[in-house]
Formats: sequence, structure tokens, C-alpha cells
Amino acid sequence: DAGITQSPRHKVTETGTPVTLRCHQTENHRYMYWYRQDPGHGLRLIHYSYGVKDTDKGEVSDGYSVSRSKTEDFLLTLESATSSQTSVYFCAISDLAGGSSYNEQFFGPGTRLTVL
Amino acid sequence: AQKVTQAQTEISVVEKEDVTLDCVYETRDTTYYLFWYKQPPSGELVFLIRRNSFDEQNEISGRYSWNFQKSTSSFNFTITASQVVDSAVYFCALSEAFQKLVFGTGTRLLVSP
Repeated sequence: DAGITQSPRHKVTETGTPVTLRCHQTENHRYMYWYRQDPGHGLRLIHYSYGVKDTDKGEVSDGYSVSRSKTEDFLLTLESATSSQTSVYFCAISDLAGGSSYNEQFFGPGTRLTVL
Repeated sequence: AQKVTQAQTEISVVEKEDVTLDCVYETRDTTYYLFWYKQPPSGELVFLIRRNSFDEQNEISGRYSWNFQKSTSSFNFTITASQVVDSAVYFCALSEAFQKLVFGTGTRLLVSP
């Protein structure tokens, strides 16, 4: 299994508070991603990173920011959490190893966030 | 824009039955990648298969097989002789560029003994 950890694994917070979720990898993969999973929507991309300090928006980026200061860490921040951000958040990693033009993404265990 | 449709929300079968999970995709690109992931009740996402748009060969891996048909924009997944451990939510996903995945809404498979 790919070495991906997420912290915290569970969090309950109140509306309006800032929240930061951390994704840590030990695979030295270039690409990292944040998704959210909601019933009826599958997984949707929030932000992704293609290198240290290189990030871009995904499909549902409003209300979220990210940072990547080291290859191994990708942080997702909710500046002011809202109830609509209650979700399960997954981090994923991938790389272009072995001459492949694309490789599959491997996912972390997820973080369940509840915003009251 | 790319889109993945998994029309089957939930499927229930009895152990040893064969079951096919449907996946229909939309894309304007000629180069793209298709994936299947499994999410068991424990919640993690497990990669099952990747297929690129230039390779229409069907694939078999044990009890799992995948049928990719560009003519119908489908990438269906069949489990032969299903087992209780196959109970999970299965996601089909598509990527056109820069490794960004678009997921379908998933199909929940319930296999009863």
C-alpha cells in the first residue's frame, strides 16, 4: 500500500472556525490531490498540486485553500468552515514513474469532518 | 466537459451470481484514461484497474473482468461468482488531462450469502 496518512481522521468543529487537514506521503510522488466525498456526488476534486508550491483549483474549490511547502505534505484549509463543508475528505497521490504518461492515484484513509 | 455516469445506484445479488456494473463516460478528447476503484465498508479507496483510450482489449483478473467499448463510451465491470467480500461501493472514473479524475456517483453492490 502507498504510504499516505491523513490527520486528523475525525474532526468536529463549529461554523466559522478555521480547519486544516494534513496529508502526508512517504512515496516521494509529485502529484497530490484533495477530494471530498458526499452522498450522491461520488468524489469531487477540490485542489491539486503538481509540485512544491505548485497548486491549482479543482471542481469544487470555493471556500478551500491549499499549500505544499514540502514534497511530502499537502495541507487543505477551510478558512471559515460552513455546514456545507461537512464531508469525508480524501487525499490522493500519483506520479509518472516507469515512463508512463499516466499513473493511477492512490488514496489516503480519509478524514471525516463535521461542521456544526 | 467530461462526465461519468453510473446509472445503477445499488445492486443486490446472492453469492455466486455474476454481476455487471455499468459505466458510461463522456469526453471530447481522443486521449483519456478510465479507472475503477472499490470502496469497501471500511471506507478506503482501492485501485482496481486503469485503461487508456488506445487500448480496447478486455481485461480479466481472477473473478474480475472489464469490457471497454469506445463505440458506446462504456467501461463495464463484471464480477464472476460474486462473494460476500465483494460488497462495496464501486466507482468508475475518467481523466482527460493532468491526472485530474472525474468520478461517477458510484454503485453500491450488496452480496448476500
